[in-house]
Amino acid sequence: DVKVTQSSRYLVKRTGEKVFLECVQDMDHENMFWYRQDPGLGLRLIYFSYDVKMKEKGDIPEGYSVSREKKERFSLILESASTNQTSMYLCASSLSGLNYGYTFGSGTRLTVV
Amino acid sequence: DQQVKQNSPSLSVQEGRISILNCDYTNSMFDYFLWYKKYPAEGPTFLISISSIKDKNEDGRFTVFLNKSAKHLSLHIVPSQPGDSAVYFCAPTNFGNEKLTFGTGTRLTIIP
Repeated sequence: DVKVTQSSRYLVKRTGEKVFLECVQDMDHENMFWYRQDPGLGLRLIYFSYDVKMKEKGDIPEGYSVSREKKERFSLILESASTNQTSMYLCASSLSGLNYGYTFGSGTRLTVV
Repeated sequence: DQQVKQNSPSLSVQEGRISILNCDYTNSMFDYFLWYKKYPAEGPTFLISISSIKDKNEDGRFTVFLNKSAKHLSLHIVPSQPGDSAVYFCAPTNFGNEKLTFGTGTRLTIIP
């Protein structure tokens, strides 16, 4: 059963902490994405990656960075967590060129206090 | 600047009736449209899609309609079942574009 796995289901962090959210996929997908989901705003793209060591900014990259050292792993980094980054974070992956849509992980609910 | 809007944040429908979820977009370059369904504590899952060369696509109880001139699409679920209670997102894109732009979502509740 192919899947996208996010390392934590729930996280509570303090303001100013550096936070790492990890995502691993086992489908050999080229593309990986980080979204956040907030009520009334839907899913907004933070960063995405088309290949190892490649990254591109999405619609709301401020306050975030990413790392993709291996094809299967895409990490989202909050350099200095703030309360407005409290959200549900969703990782997704897709196969290039087929436009069949994404496979999502189950999400990480991050609370910054 | 919200390119994709689902104007009903929530919708309640009686079991067995038709559920209609709407989605409006502004980018005329979109030519492929997907719908995703999301249960609490799970990631969204792909439901159904439609290409701009069609105006209707059907898959079992789910039908998506596309009106390109109005930049509007809708998802019909009939008959609605309790397991359909979820948040639904439309996600337009272009063929060849790896990114999806998601709508704001509609929370559908099916009342038994």
